[in-house]
Amino acid sequence: KQEVTQIPAALSVPEGENLVLNCSFTDSAIYNLQWFRQDPGKGLTSLLLIQSSQREQTSGRLNASLDKSSGRSTLYIAASQPGDSATYLCAADTQGNQGGKLIFGQGTELSVKP
Amino acid sequence: EAQVTQNPRYLITVTGKKLTVTCSQNMNHEYMSWYRQDPGLGLRQIYYSMNVEVTDKGDVPEGYKVSRKEKRNFPLILESPSPNQTSLYFCASSLTLNQPQHFGDGTRLSIL
Repeated sequence: KQEVTQIPAALSVPEGENLVLNCSFTDSAIYNLQWFRQDPGKGLTSLLLIQSSQREQTSGRLNASLDKSSGRSTLYIAASQPGDSATYLCAADTQGNQGGKLIFGQGTELSVKP
Repeated sequence: EAQVTQNPRYLITVTGKKLTVTCSQNMNHEYMSWYRQDPGLGLRQIYYSMNVEVTDKGDVPEGYKVSRKEKRNFPLILESPSPNQTSLYFCASSLTLNQPQHFGDGTRLSIL
């Protein structure tokens, strides 16, 4: 059974710092790995989706990598800003075209201090 | 504006009183899904639908029903709600499978 883990559960950094959020999964048979952002009282916003055949995806200051063999994905945030403060969740798609089942990690709560 | 809309956003009700949480998307997405989010347990999938009249169970379907009669709507039905269904519920949709999922803002249900 697929399990997704995110460490640390919470992270506080000063503004401007580059940072890395970690996501690990137990079964390498995934179709894609998605990173989401959740703001308090809001739903999830999709940030990046890495297909199983890809190694990384980039969007602005965000870069996500995927290493299926080691069961790891990282989300790199460059030059962090207070507006980046949120909970970041990763999710592994374990079914692809057979059902789209996402298994979520518990998230990393990021606080960027001015 | 492209969005997933859930209603109601908040509901306090009592055990056994049937309720429906509606979900509607305006993006012509084929795939829709319901999740619940609980402290310490994270997000877990309840039901999903790959297209009209096609639904299947997720990880925690007990006590819930869904229907997909139209492409845009995917209501979640609690026939006889119980306190253990108190949770934050999210509806999500994507164009097809293997695509980024768009989430609604959530529905906070309290079952007394």
